[in-house]
This record gives sequence, structure tokens and C-alpha cells, in this order.
Amino acid sequence: EVQLVESGGGLVQPGGSLRLSCAASAITFSSHAMSWVRQAPGKGLEWVSTISGSGDNTYFADSVKGRFTISRDNSKNAVSLQMNSLRAEDTAVYYCASAIYDPLSPDYWGQGTRVSVSS
Amino acid sequence: QSVLTQPPSASGTPGQRVTISCSGSSSNIGTNTVNWYQHLPGTAPKLLVYNNNQRPSGVPDRFSASKSGTSASLAISGLQSEDEADYYCAAWDDSLNGWVFGGGTKLTVL
Repeated sequence: EVQLVESGGGLVQPGGSLRLSCAASAITFSSHAMSWVRQAPGKGLEWVSTISGSGDNTYFADSVKGRFTISRDNSKNAVSLQMNSLRAEDTAVYYCASAIYDPLSPDYWGQGTRVSVSS
Repeated sequence: QSVLTQPPSASGTPGQRVTISCSGSSSNIGTNTVNWYQHLPGTAPKLLVYNNNQRPSGVPDRFSASKSGTSASLAISGLQSEDEADYYCAAWDDSLNGWVFGGGTKLTVL
């Protein structure tokens, strides 16, 4: 069974940086696009970023473009989200998700890691 | 304001059939396929439907979905108490070059 385990969440001050990681198992990792989706407190799901299986193509929501970067290490079955210039509105649970059925689709999700941006 | 529009709430009694709608535009639902997710607080969101109407292995056939034009819908028949959760639709948006989600529908089983 596919397993996705996120880590790296925590409390950070506005303007600070944080790096989230997601470790995957039981999938042919390099064949699957990976995404990050977040849920702010009391809000719905919001897509953040997607990276293709090869890592050649990346996509970002306008709300994080220029501040967040996504990368992957297929030799380690891991994907990362580097978050810079963090704002209070970035406070959320961040989920890692793998494409399984459709090329870029967030199909299978991890349990999430919590990020709080506050002074 | 979410790009895809869902009703904020829905409800039904055990055994009933409920439907949740999802309205989009030509750049998302009108062009691309729709996913549906079930999310219970504190857990990982679960894919219920992909490619408009396909169920992943293990999803009961009580869950069905369809798409027409720029709208989609999820139907849950034989409602059970464990179906009480938040439901989201999602689709790729060609104009935004990214995924867009509905605001979510909180389903209450009375």
C-alpha cells in the first residue's frame, strides 16, 4: 500500500522559512507527479504546487508563486516544499499527495503536517 | 472564494440518497476531468472518484458521480452514518495552470 509521510512542519515567524518533506513508499516514485495541498484552519482544501515525475515541470498556485519552490529526489523517493517569506495566511495543514490514476492528479494523500506562521 | 462552487452543506437520513453539485467553467470542468474527495477532520483526504465517474478500488458503489458541461455531481446512495464528512470536487484549470477545488460540502447524516 502507498505510504506518504510528511515532516518539517512547525511554528515560524512571519517572513521566515520552512522546508517540508514527504517520503513515499510502495510506489514507483519517479513515475508519479507529486503535489502539495493545504487546508487553513476552518477553510477548505487549497492546491499549492505540483511537480512532474521527472521533476522537469513544476506548477504553483498564484498565492505562493515566487515564495515557494518544489523539488524531488527520485533516488530517495522524496519530495520537498521550500517555503520562504511566510505569511500568516500560509498557516495550514500541508498534505503531500501522489498521482496514481491521472498524470498530475492529487490522488493518494498523506496525513499532513501542520505549519503555523505567527509572531 | 473558490473557483469551483459547491453548496456549503447537505444532509440526509440513513438510507437516503443525497447529491452534491459542483459548478465550474470552461477552463476547468468544461475541459478537464473531475475528482471527488472525502475528508474527515484529522485524517488524510480520500479520493472517491477520478476521471469524472471512476471509483478507485475499495470505494463502495454507493458513491457515483457524473459530469455535464461545466458542472459535476456526486451522489451517495444508501446513506450511512460513516458518510458524515466534508466532500470536495477538484479539476485542473487550464487558465490558472493548476488544480482548483470547490469550497467543500459538509454532509450531515441526521
